[in-house]
Amino acid sequence: DSGVTQTPKHLITATGQRVTLRCSPRSGDLSVYWYQQSLDQGLQFLIQYYNGEERAKGNILERFSAQQFPDLHSELNLSSLELGDSALYFCASSVSWDTTYEQYFGPGTRLTVT
Amino acid sequence: GNSVTQMEGPVTLSEEAFLTINCTYTATGYPSLFWYVQYPGEGLQLLLKATKADDKGSNKGFEATYRKETTSFHLEKGSVQVSDSAVYFCALSDNGNQFYFGTGTSLTVIP
Repeated sequence: DSGVTQTPKHLITATGQRVTLRCSPRSGDLSVYWYQQSLDQGLQFLIQYYNGEERAKGNILERFSAQQFPDLHSELNLSSLELGDSALYFCASSVSWDTTYEQYFGPGTRLTVT
Repeated sequence: GNSVTQMEGPVTLSEEAFLTINCTYTATGYPSLFWYVQYPGEGLQLLLKATKADDKGSNKGFEATYRKETTSFHLEKGSVQVSDSAVYFCALSDNGNQFYFGTGTSLTVIP
């Protein structure tokens, strides 16, 4: 158990809908990362937050947005969903904004868009 | 741009065999390099890392050396066990805090 929690574990929704994925980092960790893992794209870095502020942005679509709240939990919002958004979404947390510090991954949220 | 190219899998080895998983990278500047492991049904775990040229990362019998001259970070283990069966990802982080992952190499170790 990494100490990072993600909810829900599974999500099934229809095209065009909007969903919110939630992540609670390990106690004491200030940095949260979001990743998308799909069969065709592999593992893609989406975005990083540190202590409430966006720190780095990767291959995140404009239909997707994220935020980190004062209690340090983070939410990833996916809107106008398409079939291709079906994937496993991972959150990871770290004590620092520095990417050389170890990231601890949550178990993931599996999103299925039908 | 930055990228990671990783040896295609799947790889199947007998227990106690020698493991090498190749990883090469393209990057500007001086990236940090990582190997992550993903066991079935779980999230990724950091296996080892190296933050500058000629550094050797090691953990649980696995090793990888950051070779700037060949832009490589190959993963090795002298004697694999059944419990090492997993998917292994090579990754790099650049100075802009971006992360780039390889496609992953699935390893199965048979008794």
